[in-house]
Amino acid sequence: DSGVTQTPKHLITATGQRVTLRCSPRSGDLSVYWYQQSLDQGLQFLIQYYNGEERAKGNILERFSAQQFPDLHSELNLSSLELGDSALYFCASSVEGGAASYEQYFGPGTRLTVT
Amino acid sequence: AQSVAQPEDQVNVAEGNPLTVKCTYSVSGNPYLFWYVQYPNRGLQFLLKYITGDNLVKGSYGFEAEFNKSQTSFHLKKPSALVSDSALYFCAVRDITGNKLVFGAGTILRVKS
Repeated sequence: DSGVTQTPKHLITATGQRVTLRCSPRSGDLSVYWYQQSLDQGLQFLIQYYNGEERAKGNILERFSAQQFPDLHSELNLSSLELGDSALYFCASSVEGGAASYEQYFGPGTRLTVT
Repeated sequence: AQSVAQPEDQVNVAEGNPLTVKCTYSVSGNPYLFWYVQYPNRGLQFLLKYITGDNLVKGSYGFEAEFNKSQTSFHLKKPSALVSDSALYFCAVRDITGNKLVFGAGTILRVKS
């Protein structure tokens, strides 16, 4: 168990809908990262937050947004969902966002199925 | 841009035999390299990392990795494979322009008894 929790584990929804994925980082970790894993794209970085502020952005669609709250949990919001958004979404956390040497610890993921 | 390549989609090895999962990298500057393992329906688990120092890095579950700067490689190794090692293995490099991890495509390891 990495100490990173994600809810829900599974999510099935229809095209055009909006969903929210939630992540709680390991105790003491200030940085949260979101990744998307799909068969065709592999593991792709979406976005990073550090202590409540956006730190880095990757291949995140404009339909997607995220935030990190004062208690350091994070939410990833996906709207106007398309079939191609079906994927496994991972949250990861690390001790400190600026030091390149710190490993990231991953949650179990949320499997999103868009029908 | 930083990148890693895992040239093998799948590696098959018999239980008890040594295993190697290959990874090569392309970075500007010093590489920060990682190996993760993913079991079915589970998240990624951190195995080991190379930041600096000894070229042979020891990690979890008996795994180790050899950093080779001249060959720009970071191969994952284990002296004696277990059936329970069967999983999907990812090599990753930390992006120095941000903090994201850039992952390889992954290598499926199958250990047969």
